[in-house]
Amino acid sequence: NAGVTQTPKFRVLKTGQSMTLLCAQDMNHEYMYWYRQDPGMGLRLIHYSVGEGTTAKGEVPDGYNVSRLKKQNFLLGLESAAPSQTSVYFCASRPGPGIQETQYFGPGTRLLVL
Amino acid sequence: AQSVTQLDSHVSVSEGTPVLLRCNYSSSYSPSLFWYVQHPNKGLQLLLKYTSAATLVKGINGFEAEFKKSETSFHLTKPSAHMSDAAEYFCVVSDSGYQKVTFGTGTKLQVIP
Repeated sequence: NAGVTQTPKFRVLKTGQSMTLLCAQDMNHEYMYWYRQDPGMGLRLIHYSVGEGTTAKGEVPDGYNVSRLKKQNFLLGLESAAPSQTSVYFCASRPGPGIQETQYFGPGTRLLVL
Repeated sequence: AQSVTQLDSHVSVSEGTPVLLRCNYSSSYSPSLFWYVQHPNKGLQLLLKYTSAATLVKGINGFEAEFKKSETSFHLTKPSAHMSDAAEYFCVVSDSGYQKVTFGTGTKLQVIP
């Protein structure tokens, strides 16, 4: 059981470039989340998914798109990267809608936009 | 709507002394509450969670937290700090009416030898 994995671990982009971050989980979880972490701001939810083929906006969705074509994968796309998107990105998954269900986090992706 | 406030951005304690990290929450429903720890350059690890069972919750590494509905608080404590406890701690609320979770801004714990 690898848990939640994220690819890549680190990336440097130039302003205007695009990229996709991949999150994969092997726990058959229904819910998946993308967060960004910035100093002094905790983790902020970008987008989330409550099942294969579904996505929804979180609190900071602008500039990002997501897709959940397969249950085990949740992709985060940046169409035109901006320096304000320099951050550490965390993916998480959760078994289902029960309020006592714990989130499991990936190790993070550090993104630097120049 | 739900929110969570971590009252201290930095806490510094001496090794062997008690730790108190404060968290207040706001929720329209009966919430679930969590504490996560993040060591430098690492992901987040669950310390403990409250899900409407016992109000005093015990977690890993000697940490515990008490849910106080009247004070809307969920403070994290440990009787004796260890050097390995130096990390950033996040209080998290999950509302029963939503699929989302809301993170606090984090408290960095420094442990002085």
